[in-house]
Amino acid sequence: KAGVTQTPRYLIKTRGQQVTLSCSPISGHRSVSWYQQTPGQGLQFLFEYFSETQRNKGNFPGRFSGRQFSNSRSEMNVSTLELGDSALYLCASSLATSGSTDTQYFGPGTRLTVL
Amino acid sequence: KNEVEQSPQNLTAQEGEFITINCSYSVGISALHWLQQHPGGGIVSLFMLSSGKKKHGRLIATINIQEKHSSLHITASHPRDSAVYICAVGSNSGYALNFGKGTSLLVTP
Repeated sequence: KAGVTQTPRYLIKTRGQQVTLSCSPISGHRSVSWYQQTPGQGLQFLFEYFSETQRNKGNFPGRFSGRQFSNSRSEMNVSTLELGDSALYLCASSLATSGSTDTQYFGPGTRLTVL
Repeated sequence: KNEVEQSPQNLTAQEGEFITINCSYSVGISALHWLQQHPGGGIVSLFMLSSGKKKHGRLIATINIQEKHSSLHITASHPRDSAVYICAVGSNSGYALNFGKGTSLLVTP
């Protein structure tokens, strides 16, 4: 069974631009979570989707948004990029109805650099 | 927010040593996860537990719900165990995970 895939793997943008990242979960997984990882803050929860519904959102500004499609694939969007948005963005999928109480399978991440 | 504290922050061990990494959290949780991250970024879920103890190969994870504390043990450590180990907790009230800052482990031959 194929693992979680994320595209693109690397991205370079400039301040003020917007970016869309994509995540394809493991087949059959309906829960997708997004995380941001930076050297200073570590891993932080962005949002979680289940069956196209956002069930929880982390403490991030409204510039960060996401959605999930009927095939469980998910995208996240960051608008008006800032230097501080440079990070590794990870998505994870899981089988159960609650992402926090089921084993999560992580993708390789998208490394975003904002210049 | 559930504060998650890990110790030690950095750990160097010789091959074969027994290793313990600790994780403490502040409020009630639905589950606790131990994750492993190798250089390059890939994260692997090692354990998800809500009570007791789990074992997988040379890895053992325990949790004490009353004391709000979990430990990850590595027996007979090997250089390939060198990685960052991250503790994460899921709250009772939501679907989010809160993460510790991670423990960077280096096992030398």
